[in-house]
Amino acid sequence: GNSVTQMEGPVTLSEEAFLTINCTYTATGYPSLFWYVQYPGEGLQLLLKATKADDKGSNKGFEATYRKETTSFHLEKGSVQVSDSAVYFCALRNSGNTPLVFGKGTRLSVIA
Amino acid sequence: DVKVTQSSRYLVKRTGEKVFLECVQDMDHENMFWYRQDPGLGLRLIYFSYDVKMKEKGDIPEGYSVSREKKERFSLILESASTNQTSMYLCASEGGTEAFFGQGTRLTVV
Repeated sequence: GNSVTQMEGPVTLSEEAFLTINCTYTATGYPSLFWYVQYPGEGLQLLLKATKADDKGSNKGFEATYRKETTSFHLEKGSVQVSDSAVYFCALRNSGNTPLVFGKGTRLSVIA
Repeated sequence: DVKVTQSSRYLVKRTGEKVFLECVQDMDHENMFWYRQDPGLGLRLIYFSYDVKMKEKGDIPEGYSVSREKKERFSLILESASTNQTSMYLCASEGGTEAFFGQGTRLTVV
């Protein structure tokens, strides 16, 4: 079956630190991969996506590269800000019109 | 601006009550979804719908039902609320590859 595993949180960083949140997946076929972010008190919103191997998604200083050989889609940011404090979800969609499959989420807290 | 609106942010209901959670989207999307979000468990899919009057069970449909009479509205129904259904409920609609989420309904069953 399809599944997503992401690193457990919470992750606490100082402002301007480097961020990595690990995400690996198991899927039949060739999935599209996503990172969603949930700010406090809000629903999820799409942060970035990649639809095929070696694609890099990027947005708001965040990046993730679709690595088929390691079945990974790690989220990175070079310098985090307090405003990046949120819960981050890695997700996949297998080919066709199928629902998203989410990881359990990683809570990030950035302190000034 | 795209919008998915859930009728309530917070609800408190009694055990055994029938509970309706409403979700409306204004993007003319065909696909709509209901998830529940619990600490340590992430998002779990309850039901989804790819068209009016169509519904499919997700991973945890027990104790829930849904209704999709109009394209823009997708309702989640708790037939007889129980304390283990206390949770955050998230509705989403989808066009293309991107899903858009409502703000969530935090339901407490006492």
